[in-house]
Amino acid sequence: NAGVTQTPKFQVLKTGQSMTLQCAQDMNHEYMSWYRQDPGMGLRLIHYSVGAGITDQGEVPNGYNVSRSTTEDFPLRLLSAAPSQTSVYFCASSQGGGLQETQYFGPGTRLLVL
Amino acid sequence: QKEVEQDPGPLSVPEGAIVSLNCTYSNSAFQYFMWYRQYSRKGPELLMYTYSSGNKEDGRFTAQVDKSSKYISLFIRDSQPSDSATYLCAMKWKPLGGGADGLTFGKGTHLIIQP
Repeated sequence: NAGVTQTPKFQVLKTGQSMTLQCAQDMNHEYMSWYRQDPGMGLRLIHYSVGAGITDQGEVPNGYNVSRSTTEDFPLRLLSAAPSQTSVYFCASSQGGGLQETQYFGPGTRLLVL
Repeated sequence: QKEVEQDPGPLSVPEGAIVSLNCTYSNSAFQYFMWYRQYSRKGPELLMYTYSSGNKEDGRFTAQVDKSSKYISLFIRDSQPSDSATYLCAMKWKPLGGGADGLTFGKGTHLIIQP
């Protein structure tokens, strides 16, 4: 059981470039989400999905797209990278989105946008 | 935005000391309270959770919730250097309009246990 995996671990982009951050889980979880973590800001929700084919926006969705074609995968796309998107990105999954569901986090992707 | 306040530290204590980590919140909509531990360059991992006022103990860790004061704490007894990490409080709430339950994190407290 690998849990939640993320690739790449580290990425450097130039302003305007696009890229996709990959996230996969092997726990058959319905609920998946993307967070960004910035110094002094804590974890902020970007997008989430309650199941295959269903996605919704979180607190800071601008500049990011997501899709959920399978239960296992939840990629995050940066359409045109900006320096403000320099951050550490975490993917998380849980069986459901309810109060008592435990979220499991991946190891993170560190993104630097120049 | 449901706000959660947490002192970022760093909090530095000697090995063996009792550590107290705290969060305050302003909105009574929060129903479920959690503590996550995050080691450097790793993802957060759930440490403890509770949904009622009072204490919950798990080994050297005790989570305390005071809903009347909107205050939660995490106590670590006999602290070890391996406890050095950032501790994030997190709170879940149900949106009035339905949809997935909300989850709000504190900014985290950086804890250093000196050998």
